[in-house]
Amino acid sequence: NAGVTQTPKFQVLKTGQSMTLQCAQDMNHEYMSWYRQDPGMGLRLIHYSVGAGITDQGEVPNGYNVSRSTTEDFPLRLLSAAPSQTSVYFCASRPHFQRTQDTQYFGPGTRLTVL
Amino acid sequence: GEDVEQSLFLSVREGDSSVINCTYTDSSSTYLYWYKQEPGAGLQLLTYIFSNMDMKQDQRLTVLLNKKDKHLSLRIADTQTGDSAIYFCAETQRGGSQGNLIFGKGTKLSVKP
Repeated sequence: NAGVTQTPKFQVLKTGQSMTLQCAQDMNHEYMSWYRQDPGMGLRLIHYSVGAGITDQGEVPNGYNVSRSTTEDFPLRLLSAAPSQTSVYFCASRPHFQRTQDTQYFGPGTRLTVL
Repeated sequence: GEDVEQSLFLSVREGDSSVINCTYTDSSSTYLYWYKQEPGAGLQLLTYIFSNMDMKQDQRLTVLLNKKDKHLSLRIADTQTGDSAIYFCAETQRGGSQGNLIFGKGTKLSVKP
């Protein structure tokens, strides 16, 4: 198993540009989520999905869209990038939403800079 | 809302014990977690404790839970330079979103040789 993969590893955008951060897992996990990590702020939940076709907002969803058309993929879209979205983005997955005792696996992260 | 608090930095000497502390807000959290993040990497689950336990030991790691004070600690015995990392405490979110994890800001552990 490759686990949770994220592409790209690094990205620089100009203000107003759009882009999609890719996340995929090959473990047949139902639950997937996106976090952003900022210095001194820890990890904050952006969006999550409990299964294909089902998504919901986390703590900081503004400026981001998600979709979950397959179990494997959970892309995060920035519609119009802003400097405040400069961050490191992590995707995570776990077998089931309710079974919180299961290990939650994290991808290696995407470091995004918005100029 | 939920809040998980941790001190931001801890520095210890190699061979000493490290104790990382955390306070959380949701007394209904079923599980509480410790994650480790090495430089440039994602988070890895280190250990977790069920809320009806007071202590859990796993090799060099000891987790203590004080439910009355909503206090969680992680003790690393015989700390090594390879333990240098950021350690995150996490609890489950309240209400209908209990499958989501809420993370603290992380404690950066520096181990001096």
